[in-house]
Amino acid sequence: QQPVQSPQAVILREGEDAVINCSSSKALYSVHWYRQKHGEAPVFLMILLKGGEQKGHEKISASFNEKKQQSSLYLTASQLSYSGTYFCGTDGGSQGNLIFGKGTKLSVKP
Amino acid sequence: DTAVSQTPKYLVTQMGNDKSIKCEQNLGHDTMYWYKQDSKKFLKIMFSYNNKELIINETVPNRFSPKSPDKAHLNLHINSLELGDSAVYFCASSLQFNQPQHFGDGTRLSIL
Repeated sequence: QQPVQSPQAVILREGEDAVINCSSSKALYSVHWYRQKHGEAPVFLMILLKGGEQKGHEKISASFNEKKQQSSLYLTASQLSYSGTYFCGTDGGSQGNLIFGKGTKLSVKP
Repeated sequence: DTAVSQTPKYLVTQMGNDKSIKCEQNLGHDTMYWYKQDSKKFLKIMFSYNNKELIINETVPNRFSPKSPDKAHLNLHINSLELGDSAVYFCASSLQFNQPQHFGDGTRLSIL
């Protein structure tokens, strides 16, 4: 079952914050986050395992609420380089079958 | 040094032809994947290989066949190409399942 991401798109000014959500209708073992810039390959950001831990990567962090089957990606003080499409991938624990959401397009303007 | 490399980068061909896309990783990973990204940017898993064994085979047409001569290579062969096969195909690898995946630069396949 494909996870649902929201919002579909967001436009920010440099320095503003954003939150991208990812939710699933089935129990999750882990959530993966990737960023893809236009014309490039997806790049790994972080993995969150069930247990509700929060991880950080520069000014980007994420949380995973396994009870709600949701994950959120937090982008703080956004930079121009944060522009791209963010994908969450969920793993139901079935031999690593990673299913990606439809993506959230983030545009950061000067 | 490129970690995951795919060839060719672009592939333009006619309907009905057979083509292959090659993928090689020099990361020493045990698991490799093929993804299809369509015009709407939906990234869909097609196949994954772990230690040369096919672990996941999603509901893709049997015109698509992955071939892995060794754990550093996972090639994708496509028979009787159709218009709907036009997409960007990404190869990826990870140490094991549920580990960070490293993607190749993609192969843009266009069917005329």
